[in-house]
Amino acid sequence: NAGVTQTPKFRILKIGQSMTLQCAQDMNHNYMYWYRQDPGMGLKLIYYSVGAGITDKGEVPNGYNVSRSTTEDFPLRLELAAPSQTSVYFCASSYSRVGGYTFGSGTRLTVV
Amino acid sequence: RKEVEQDPGPFNVPEGATVAFNCTYSNSASQSFFWYRQDCRKEPKLLMSVYSSGNEDGRFTAQLNRASQYISLLIRDSKLSDSATYLCVADGPTGNQFYFGTGTSLTVIP
Repeated sequence: NAGVTQTPKFRILKIGQSMTLQCAQDMNHNYMYWYRQDPGMGLKLIYYSVGAGITDKGEVPNGYNVSRSTTEDFPLRLELAAPSQTSVYFCASSYSRVGGYTFGSGTRLTVV
Repeated sequence: RKEVEQDPGPFNVPEGATVAFNCTYSNSASQSFFWYRQDCRKEPKLLMSVYSSGNEDGRFTAQLNRASQYISLLIRDSKLSDSATYLCVADGPTGNQFYFGTGTSLTVIP
């Protein structure tokens, strides 16, 4: 049972480049989330999804996009990378709205 | 005001000690609360949910005080392996978003 799988683990982007952070879960969870974690700032919610075909903005959605075409996958798209998007990105899933999360191992992104 | 606030610490305690962390939340309508632990450069992992009546899981006890809007985590008989950052979490007004505190750092010293 893999849980939540994120790829890549590390990435360096140049300003203005685009990339997609992949997230997949094999627990048949309806709820999926994308967070970013900056030093001393805690985790901030970027986007979330309550099921396939449904997504909504979190606290810090600007500069990101998501899609949820299947229950398993929830990719996060950065269209025009900026230095402010340097962060650690965590994908998470849960079986219910009030259930605890299972997190992926994270993607460390640096934008230079 | 931040939705969830924690004392960042660090807390440095000897093995076998009892240590307690508090966390305050700003939304009086919050219904769901959790504690996570996060090891250095790793993902957060769910430690325990926090129930209204308080709950215990081995050496860990979580309490909720709705009147004062804080939750607490008590760790008894601290082990070296308890060294980590502990994150407090509360849900927001819509119930679909959860807010994380910045974490409290614990180091257990031999």
